[in-house]
Amino acid sequence: GENVEQHPSTLSVQEGDSAVIKCTYSDSASNYFPWYKQELGKRPQLIIDIRSNVGEKKDQRIAVTLNKTAKHFSLHITETQPEDSAVYFCAAIKGGGSYIPTFGRGTSLIVHP
Amino acid sequence: DGGITQSPKYLFRKEGQNVTLSCEQNLNHDAMYWYRQDPGQGLRLIYYSQIVNDFQKGDIAEGYSVSREKKESFPLTVTSAQKNPTAFYLCASSYSYGYTFGSGTRLTVV
Repeated sequence: GENVEQHPSTLSVQEGDSAVIKCTYSDSASNYFPWYKQELGKRPQLIIDIRSNVGEKKDQRIAVTLNKTAKHFSLHITETQPEDSAVYFCAAIKGGGSYIPTFGRGTSLIVHP
Repeated sequence: DGGITQSPKYLFRKEGQNVTLSCEQNLNHDAMYWYRQDPGQGLRLIYYSQIVNDFQKGDIAEGYSVSREKKESFPLTVTSAQKNPTAFYLCASSYSYGYTFGSGTRLTVV
């Protein structure tokens, strides 16, 4: 089955710095890669996603890159703000029937004011 | 709470008791899921259902049971056989790649 590794487990940055979270996946048939943000005690919410036919996608301060050959994808947050502090999860989904995501273990991002 | 509702938000259980967590969705999603979340463990799949009256075990199904009698509802029972049930439980539903989470139930065994 699919295996998703996520690094780092904890990331501490100063306000205004950039943050990068990396994920690798094992199943080359995976074709959809969402990122979720979970604030303390709340539900995970989709913040950005990318499909396997795209190499990069950007939404304001957030961007995701995908390298299909190397089977890794990354979340980039620029000009970090304290409200970016949360746990971020990556996932890989293989379509064609089940659409069950395999999640990474999460990265706790702490942005210091 | 955007189409998928979990109740209650907090739940306390005595050791040896079964307890049922509710999950209801009005998104008309075919698939529903239950996840357990512990600090540093990410999201671990307990059970999932892709169609009414059918469900499959996930990675950590032991000590849990589910039913899917209606498309809208996917309750999770935490049985006394679950040795360490204290955790945050998340329900989710999906249609194709679109995935929506509930707000979670925090279960504490006292």
